[in-house]
Amino acid sequence: NAGVMQNPRHLVRRRGQEARLRCSPMKGHSHVYWYRQLPEEGLKFMVYLQKENIIDESGMPKERFSAEFPKEGPSILRIQQVVRGDSAAYFCASSPPRQGHTEAFFGQGTRLTVV
Amino acid sequence: AQTVTQSQPEMSVQEAETVTLSCTYDTSESNYYLFWYKQPPSRQMILVIRQEAYKQQNATENRFSVNFQKAAKSFSLKISDSQLGDTAMYFCAFILYGSYQLTFGKGTKLSVIP
Repeated sequence: NAGVMQNPRHLVRRRGQEARLRCSPMKGHSHVYWYRQLPEEGLKFMVYLQKENIIDESGMPKERFSAEFPKEGPSILRIQQVVRGDSAAYFCASSPPRQGHTEAFFGQGTRLTVV
Repeated sequence: AQTVTQSQPEMSVQEAETVTLSCTYDTSESNYYLFWYKQPPSRQMILVIRQEAYKQQNATENRFSVNFQKAAKSFSLKISDSQLGDTAMYFCAFILYGSYQLTFGKGTKLSVIP
């Protein structure tokens, strides 16, 4: 049973480009969480999704950021018109239904660098 | 809002010795979970240990144990017989029962010295 898979591991974008980060949850997991880790900081919650539904996006910046978790395929975190301040590590976690974070597993993260 | 504080940005320990990492948190709720995560240079977030607030017994996982003081809102991690592979960032995290938002501290960078 593969763990949570995130790709790419590293992503470099120029200012103004779009960044797409992918997360494939563990088999049997239908809940996905995205977190952002700025340098020298702990992880900060961004968004919680279930299949085809955004449950809580209270941690997402209001502009340029969006997330989806379609019925088929991985969850996608999309950042449009990236700026230098978006440079960070983005982590995805997944959990089975009804277990929440008490049974959540993290991926290895995607390090986004905006140049 | 809940907060998690790790007051030790960096610590070091000799191999085979014992080290304790501190964590305090603030909440007005009574039902919650506490976690310690390890983040080695690979950046993978690895769950080390978990504590349910309603359990008085401190959680243990092999060389890792916690000292959970609910009244003091303290949740320290003790690593016994430290190994070189324990070198990593360690994050304390909190989540309310029934919630899905983990709140993390800023981390403690632990170095195990041969």
